[in-house]
Amino acid sequence: DGGITQSPKYLFRKEGQNVTLSCEQNLNHDAMYWYRQDPGQGLRLIYYSQIVNDFQKGDIAEGYSVSREKKESFPLTVTSAQKNPTAFYLCASMAGTGFRSLHFGNGTRLTVT
Amino acid sequence: GQQVMQIPQYQHVQEGEDFTTYCNSSTTLSNIQWYKQRPGGHPVFLIQLVKSGEVKKQKRLTFQFGEAKKNSSLHITATQTTDVGTYFCAGPSGGSQGNLIFGKGTKLSVKP
Repeated sequence: DGGITQSPKYLFRKEGQNVTLSCEQNLNHDAMYWYRQDPGQGLRLIYYSQIVNDFQKGDIAEGYSVSREKKESFPLTVTSAQKNPTAFYLCASMAGTGFRSLHFGNGTRLTVT
Repeated sequence: GQQVMQIPQYQHVQEGEDFTTYCNSSTTLSNIQWYKQRPGGHPVFLIQLVKSGEVKKQKRLTFQFGEAKKNSSLHITATQTTDVGTYFCAGPSGGSQGNLIFGKGTKLSVKP
């Protein structure tokens, strides 16, 4: 079945450590996105990529980094510079043409203590 | 900047009651999408509205797009416990093609 896989589901880190969240899709979608979700805050865009080897900052990119070396993969690194990293992180993809809705992965809940 | 606002933030209903969530954009939208996120889950696409004044139905759910294409609503008739979750509206970002701006969502709880 086609879909988006995020791993792991739960992640725990100590403050000051960088951590990388995985996102893989087999939908052959061109665009991929990372959102952060906090209670009562909706979905806020961190980074997005419309094509391989290219990505742009979203609304809250500070303290995060991404790469897009393959069409299928869009990992997100939460760096120690991110002041409040504890959150639910959602990866999504969207087809490049035709009808365009977001397909989300199951999310990774990151807790930093 | 562009904003998408949703009200109410929370809604508690008795099973069988109706429910409505409203979405307002600060700018005219080319289309609006609705997503549902079940507790502990991820957002799932429900529907897209494109035309001014458009009304679409999915069983007990009725979606409307305003005449000015700046507001939208989702109405659920006779709620069931399976309707529990957070409903988000989203509109295209004026800045970047393909990006969506989400409202903060309306969290619906249904008492059996």
